Amino acid sequence: GDSVTQMEGPVTLSEEAFLTINCTYTATGYPSLFWYVQYPGEGLQLLLKATKADDKGSNKGFEATYRKETTSFHLEKGSVQVSDSAVYFCALRARGNKLTFGGGTRVLVKP
Amino acid sequence: NAGVTQTPKFRILKIGQSMTLQCAQDMNHNYMYWYRQDPGMGLKLIYYSVGAGITDKGEVPNGYNVSRSTTEDFPLRLELAAPSQTSVYFCASSYLVEDTQYFGPGTRLTVL
Repeated sequence: GDSVTQMEGPVTLSEEAFLTINCTYTATGYPSLFWYVQYPGEGLQLLLKATKADDKGSNKGFEATYRKETTSFHLEKGSVQVSDSAVYFCALRARGNKLTFGGGTRVLVKP
Repeated sequence: NAGVTQTPKFRILKIGQSMTLQCAQDMNHNYMYWYRQDPGMGLKLIYYSVGAGITDKGEVPNGYNVSRSTTEDFPLRLELAAPSQTSVYFCASSYLVEDTQYFGPGTRLTVL
């Protein structure tokens, strides 16, 4: 079945550091890929998405590129802020249009 | 707009008790979903609904029931609470199945 694997956290960074969160997936066909963010005490929010190979999703300084050859969708940000502290979820939508989530990666940015 | 709202925010239940988690959306979305989030795990789909009067099972439906009598509301019922149901529960909605899902703030449930 479909699955999403992302790096375990927590990831602890200093402000202005570079952030990468790895995400790989297994799915049949051509899934759409998503990154969701969950700030403390809140529900999940869509951060960015990509619907086909080589697409790059971007939002709030975050980027991720849909790499079909490596079945990956790694999330990157060049200079993190304390306000980026959150849990980040990689997800895919394939057959049946159901979302399949990874386990989440907690990111803590220290001033 | 309130978006997706959930009540209560926190609840502690004893084994065997029952309760209903409330979810409401004011965006006139057709689709609504219930997920559970266990520590270190991704969200798992419990039930979903494609419109008023229509519901279907997700990945982990055992021990839960749902109903959808109106477009706005999608309550989740636990009949006989078990410790394995300790989790954070999220409700979400979308206009079409392929659209972005909007999530509520969650309900943290502990069963002792």
